[in-house]
Amino acid sequence: DGGITQSPKYLFRKEGQNVTLSCEQNLNHDAMYWYRQDPGQGLRLIYYSQIVNDFQKGDIAEGYSVSREKKESFPLTVTSAQKNPTAFYLCASSIAGQNTEAFFGQGTRLTVV
Amino acid sequence: AQSVTQLDSHVSVSEGTPVLLRCNYSSSYSPSLFWYVQHPNKGLQLLLKYTSAATLVKGINGFEAEFKKSETSFHLTKPSAHMSDAAEYFCVVKENTGFQKLVFGTGTRLLVSP
Repeated sequence: DGGITQSPKYLFRKEGQNVTLSCEQNLNHDAMYWYRQDPGQGLRLIYYSQIVNDFQKGDIAEGYSVSREKKESFPLTVTSAQKNPTAFYLCASSIAGQNTEAFFGQGTRLTVV
Repeated sequence: AQSVTQLDSHVSVSEGTPVLLRCNYSSSYSPSLFWYVQHPNKGLQLLLKYTSAATLVKGINGFEAEFKKSETSFHLTKPSAHMSDAAEYFCVVKENTGFQKLVFGTGTRLLVSP
């Protein structure tokens, strides 16, 4: 089945640690995105990538980093510089184009302990 | 810049009664508009999308939305709510220039009582 797989589903981080969230898609989509979701704030864009080896900062990129070495994969690293990392993280992908929708993974819930 | 305003943070209905979730958008260009649904601790699922082909758009699970340019609205409706409709709903506009990123509203939580 085609889709987007995020792992792990739950992740716990200690203060000062970097953690990496995985996102893999087999939809052959060029564009991939990372969103952060907090209660009452909708989804905010962290990073996006339109092609392999290229990515751009979104609205809240500080404290995060990404890579896009393969078309299928777009991992997100939450660094120790992110002061409030506890949130629900969603990965998405889409075909490039004006009227195309995004497909979402099931999310990773990150908690700082 | 494009933006979306969801007018209600919570909507409560009884099972079997109509659902109305309101969304207004701001866009300098002809927009692409979407409604997504999210069940607790899950990803987002596309309900329907407007891409200028028809102003009344039918989606999954009996939902539909009407694009009204004069009112800059894209409200989501369903004639009869079901318990399984209880979830959070997001109205989304896609920028039609540059990167064409998705801009999300803050969401409306739909509560359905028996």
